[in-house]
Amino acid sequence: SYELTQPPSVSVSPGQTARITCSGDDLPKKHASWYQQKSGQAPVLVIYDDTKRPSGIPERFSGSSSGTMATLTISGAQAEDAADYYCYSTDSTGDHLVFGGGTKVTV
Amino acid sequence: QVHLQESGPGLTKPSETLSLACAVSGASVSNGYFWGWVRQPPGKGLEWIGSLYHTGTTYSNPSLKSRVTISIDTSKNQFSLKLKSVTAADTAVYFCARGAASGTDYFDSWGPGTLVTVSS
Repeated sequence: SYELTQPPSVSVSPGQTARITCSGDDLPKKHASWYQQKSGQAPVLVIYDDTKRPSGIPERFSGSSSGTMATLTISGAQAEDAADYYCYSTDSTGDHLVFGGGTKVTV
Repeated sequence: QVHLQESGPGLTKPSETLSLACAVSGASVSNGYFWGWVRQPPGKGLEWIGSLYHTGTTYSNPSLKSRVTISIDTSKNQFSLKLKSVTAADTAVYFCARGAASGTDYFDSWGPGTLVTVSS
């Protein structure tokens, strides 16, 4: 079955830049989206179609993709950005959706 | 602004069928989007369960496929999940979500989630 691989944890100092990677064999053909989940809450979409930011999401969140890797960047991280982040995409058929294992971001 | 709310029993016995509903307000379940279920076992990551498109086509996680049924009730503007033959491994917070078809489909709105425990 298709898998997306993320680092288990990323640590960043306040005001610095955090980068979270997501690797998957079908990412050259399929876009990734990213979700932020704080403890006890539902996930919130922060990036879709690799680079697009939904309304209401701060500009410090950005996404990129190259080859088999998608990246979520938090520029100027704030304490409120501490959360679990999940990448998400589909396999090459588009029929099966998959989440990465999640990355815990500590600020 | 779309709002989703899960409902259903918080406790299901092993070997029985888990049944949940997701009430949708602020959008019609029959217009354009797709609807899905995602679960999260305690202390673990997110797992896609399945999705239902407005065309009636459904897709399910291959690891769960034979046990999953997702359906829509347009009269109640809600959609439902049934998961058969549950075991303790199915204990999780279950989220319903609205999906948007784009370059690659994604979920743009989520319910708050409901904890379902499988235990006798």
